[in-house]
Amino acid sequence: EAGVTQSPTHLIKTRGQQATLRCSPISGHTSVYWYQQALGLGLQFLLWYDEGEERNRGNFPPRFSGRQFPNYSSELNVNALELEDSALYLCASTSPGPPYNEQFFGPGTRLTVL
Amino acid sequence: DAKTTQPTSMDCAEGRAANLPCNHSTISGNEYVYWYRQIHSQGPQYIIHGLKNNETNEMASLIITEDRKSSTLILPHATLRDTAVYYCIVRVNQAGTALIFGKGTTLSVSS
Repeated sequence: EAGVTQSPTHLIKTRGQQATLRCSPISGHTSVYWYQQALGLGLQFLLWYDEGEERNRGNFPPRFSGRQFPNYSSELNVNALELEDSALYLCASTSPGPPYNEQFFGPGTRLTVL
Repeated sequence: DAKTTQPTSMDCAEGRAANLPCNHSTISGNEYVYWYRQIHSQGPQYIIHGLKNNETNEMASLIITEDRKSSTLILPHATLRDTAVYYCIVRVNQAGTALIFGKGTTLSVSS
């Protein structure tokens, strides 16, 4: 069974640009979570998508947004990039229905903002 | 904010048991204790979870105190590949509940 995949592995942008990160969940999984792991701040919850809708978001500004496609893959967009957006962005997926025990994480996209 | 307290770091000799403690004194009755680990710069990996009974799987054992205010993750025979940051998380087991990660415990296994 293929795991969660993310692309690209690395992304380098400059301040003010936009970044697009992609995530493909495990086959059969309908929920996708996005997390940010910035140096010194730990892993923080960003967004939750389920059945194509944004269901919840963490304490991040609106320039962090995304969407989920009909095939349940997801895209995270970060607009007006700031230096502090440099981080490892992780995507996780879970299966539909209970039990909601385990989130399966992808390898992450490392975003560097110069 | 994370609702758990863990030691910053621990050392363990290869082949010995690693016992990682976690305090969660404000845990609610419907919250589970989850353990994840993150090997350097990889995505976190689920290890085990429990509500109030002790649990064991192929990776580890989870011991939860009777008052549920603390727990211990046990890796019975640590190997060098178990070197990682271990996160203890309390979470309601329902759809959409995000994982709230604290700083975790950095476990260093040496030969």
